[in-house]
Amino acid sequence: AQSVAQPEDQVNVAEGNPLTVKCTYSVSGNPYLFWYVQYPNRGLQFLLKYITGDNLVKGSYGFEAEFNKSQTSFHLKKPSALVSDSALYFCAVSPSGGYQKVTFGTGTKLQVIP
Amino acid sequence: NAGVTQTPKFRVLKTGQSMTLLCAQDMNHEYMYWYRQDPGMGLRLIHYSVGEGTTAKGEVPDGYNVSRLKKQNFLLGLESAAPSQTSVYFCASSPGPTARNGYTFGSGTRLTVV
Repeated sequence: AQSVAQPEDQVNVAEGNPLTVKCTYSVSGNPYLFWYVQYPNRGLQFLLKYITGDNLVKGSYGFEAEFNKSQTSFHLKKPSALVSDSALYFCAVSPSGGYQKVTFGTGTKLQVIP
Repeated sequence: NAGVTQTPKFRVLKTGQSMTLLCAQDMNHEYMYWYRQDPGMGLRLIHYSVGEGTTAKGEVPDGYNVSRLKKQNFLLGLESAAPSQTSVYFCASSPGPTARNGYTFGSGTRLTVV
């Protein structure tokens, strides 16, 4: 069965510092990988995805993520954190091809401290 | 450019009452999904639909029913609400059979069963 692990319930980072939100996954075959962001009392918003190709993918709001097949990881990164980045971040995975169920992680709360 | 609209946004039910949550999308997406979000558990798929007139069970379907009579609408019903169904419910849609395009989420329905 496919799974996603987000090992940190919360990540605290000072404004202006780089941030990393960790995600590891388990899936049969090639994965599709996603990051979503959820602001308070809002739905999830798509941030970025890895489908194939370049292991470093860039997304909205200056975020990027690196796909590492050998470590089965897809960590979310940003060079310089903003207070407005404070939110709940979800990693998600599905196998590629056909209709495939998407599995979401449990979420990591990012707190950017002014 | 409404995207995915969920109604109502909030609801309090007594145990044993019934209700229907409505999800409407204006993007002509084929696939629609109902998730529930609980603290520490991420998002869990309740039911989904791969097109008008079709429905299928997800991870946690018990106690819920769904219908997709029109392509743009996906209804989630609770026939006899239980306190365990207290949760935040999200509807999502996607254009095609794979997850590669990501999902568009509604803003959620916060349901409390007392």
